[in-house]
Amino acid sequence: EAQVTQNPRYLITVTGKKLTVTCSQNMNHEYMSWYRQDPGLGLRQIYYSMNVEVTDKGDVPEGYKVSRKEKRNFPLILESPSPNQTSLYFCASNSGLEQFFGPGTRLTVL
Amino acid sequence: AQTVTQSQPEMSVQEAETVTLSCTYDTSESDYYLFWYKQPPSRQMILVIRQEAYKQQNATENRFSVNFQKAAKSFSLKISDSQLGDAAMYFCASGCEGDKVIFGPGTSLSVIP
Repeated sequence: EAQVTQNPRYLITVTGKKLTVTCSQNMNHEYMSWYRQDPGLGLRQIYYSMNVEVTDKGDVPEGYKVSRKEKRNFPLILESPSPNQTSLYFCASNSGLEQFFGPGTRLTVL
Repeated sequence: AQTVTQSQPEMSVQEAETVTLSCTYDTSESDYYLFWYKQPPSRQMILVIRQEAYKQQNATENRFSVNFQKAAKSFSLKISDSQLGDAAMYFCASGCEGDKVIFGPGTSLSVIP
């Protein structure tokens, strides 16, 4: 089954404690993205990757890092999380005509 | 820069009736796509319908259809015979092939039994 998986689905952490949200897709897509969803703002792109070892900033990259060492994986790293990064996060992979979304990760930073 | 606007934060519709969700966009690209995504309470993002900008014919998927007005940069979604399961957040989005997709702020749709 074609899918994008994310882990964890829920995470509560404290300010400054490094965390990683994993993302994996099994569709051999080259383009992958991370979004955050906040009420009234829709989904905003954090980072994207057009292929292995090729990543670039989206619209709201501050406070986030990514890596793309393998085609299937695209982890999102928060080196020092802050409360304003409390949000719902989505990973997506793109076939060109459609984005396939992961199930979302609800992150709370206290 | 691409922008997508949804001017209706909330909408409601009676079950079995028809509702139209509005969306306007702005892009400098000549070849682009428009999407409507549905996000039910499960939070999963589900593609409802896609429109290629070069196609004049409006896309249709069962009870869902769009009114694509390219000159006006308008892309509304019509839901016919509304069902309780249609209650969700709906996002309009615009993007180019192999490139980023820009989302609107969303419209929360309630379906009244």
